[in-house]
Amino acid sequence: ELKVEQNPLFLSMQEGKNYTIYCNYSTTSDRLYWYRQDPGKSLESLFVLLSNGAVKQEGRLMASLDTKARLSTLHITAAVHDLSATYFCAVENTGNQFYFGTGTSLTVIP
Amino acid sequence: DTEVTQTPKHLVMGMTNKKSLKCEQHMGHRAMYWYKQKAKKPPELMFVYSYEKLSINESVPSRFSPECPNSSLLNLHLHALQPEDSALYLCASSHDLAGTATPNSEAFFGQGTRLTVV
Repeated sequence: ELKVEQNPLFLSMQEGKNYTIYCNYSTTSDRLYWYRQDPGKSLESLFVLLSNGAVKQEGRLMASLDTKARLSTLHITAAVHDLSATYFCAVENTGNQFYFGTGTSLTVIP
Repeated sequence: DTEVTQTPKHLVMGMTNKKSLKCEQHMGHRAMYWYKQKAKKPPELMFVYSYEKLSINESVPSRFSPECPNSSLLNLHLHALQPEDSALYLCASSHDLAGTATPNSEAFFGQGTRLTVV
């Protein structure tokens, strides 16, 4: 059974601080995705990581992938309130199957 | 156009009703998906269609019946649901990824249908 685990599940951080969300998965996949979900809304694609060592950055968010460790990280730099949301990683398994991690609910406090 | 459109946005149905959820995309994607999401939980994969054929059914009860009439449309027919089936139902689409890796491989999600079974 494919498992995708994130930690922490809940994260409360002050504006201006840095933090990292971790995503561990159990399958030998080299395709990993990060999504953002605001309350009551759908999922917005943030990053697509398709190979070992891939690193993508957009604004205050940076994602990386280590397929050997089966680990992806989402690093937040100098957090702002607008980043408050739930973040999901998703692993693609044997084509066309996206399995989501447990989610990290992020709250940025002024 | 990177939009996946779902209708209706909200649906309340009784346990004896029959209803359908609809999903449409015009991005040329050949893989389409249904997910179920309960509050404060991750989306759970239900069905995957690849080139209009059902390729994955994640042991979903038969009261949920998917249909893919053509490459742009995906339906989910609902019959004799239970209150525990109340959830947000999300449709998504992507390029068909079996055996390939493309830079534009992520799944795009619709806004969802919030279903309440009474």
